[in-house]
Amino acid sequence: GAVVSQHPSRVICKSGTSVKIECRSLDFQATTMFWYRQFPKQSLMLMATSNEGSKATYEQGVEKDKFLINHASLTLSTLTVTSAHPEDSSFYICSATYTGGTGNIQYFGAGTRLSVL
Amino acid sequence: KQEVTQIPAALSVPEGENLVLNCSFTDSAIYNLQWFRQDPGKGLTSLLLIQSSQREQTSGRLNASLDKSSGRSTLYIAASQPGDSATYLCAVRGGTDKLIFGTGTRLQVFP
Repeated sequence: GAVVSQHPSRVICKSGTSVKIECRSLDFQATTMFWYRQFPKQSLMLMATSNEGSKATYEQGVEKDKFLINHASLTLSTLTVTSAHPEDSSFYICSATYTGGTGNIQYFGAGTRLSVL
Repeated sequence: KQEVTQIPAALSVPEGENLVLNCSFTDSAIYNLQWFRQDPGKGLTSLLLIQSSQREQTSGRLNASLDKSSGRSTLYIAASQPGDSATYLCAVRGGTDKLIFGTGTRLQVFP
């Protein structure tokens, strides 16, 4: 099956720093990628839709200036958490849409655990 | 607005039992429904995907059914094993590629 790589798997940073998370589709091209956030013992919440070559579409309540998304190529989307604070500590997961076969299927990365001190 | 709910929220059973996990959604206009497994601190593993025109899908000991008109799906796990312990998430896809996830069922199977 299709593979999505997410890096880093874990990051610990000081409050006020910015953190970049990468999401790569390894063996297919993805015009659309998604970024999710998951708090402990809760489900995944869609943050934004990343579109190759255009601006990301953010869900209601998600600050676009706080969570910068760049989808510069068909295999790479990045999420930058700017000026991170402890309340940004969470598990971030990306997915990439594979088009083909029986329809569009999303494949997920392994996630990034962000801890802001 | 689509809302997805899963019942029960948590389940603890002895090894060997057959299990049913439930997923309900408020808007029946879905494109497909997918069941995922998530181990603690890990990403998602896709288990089964049911297209809106299908009634069920099977993979090994897993069987997922879909009743779109009533907004329900069930995941049946036969002869549960300790290795099945994880959180199970269902997700529905509407007209766009967006997935709306359910609240999850945390399953523990003890020897």
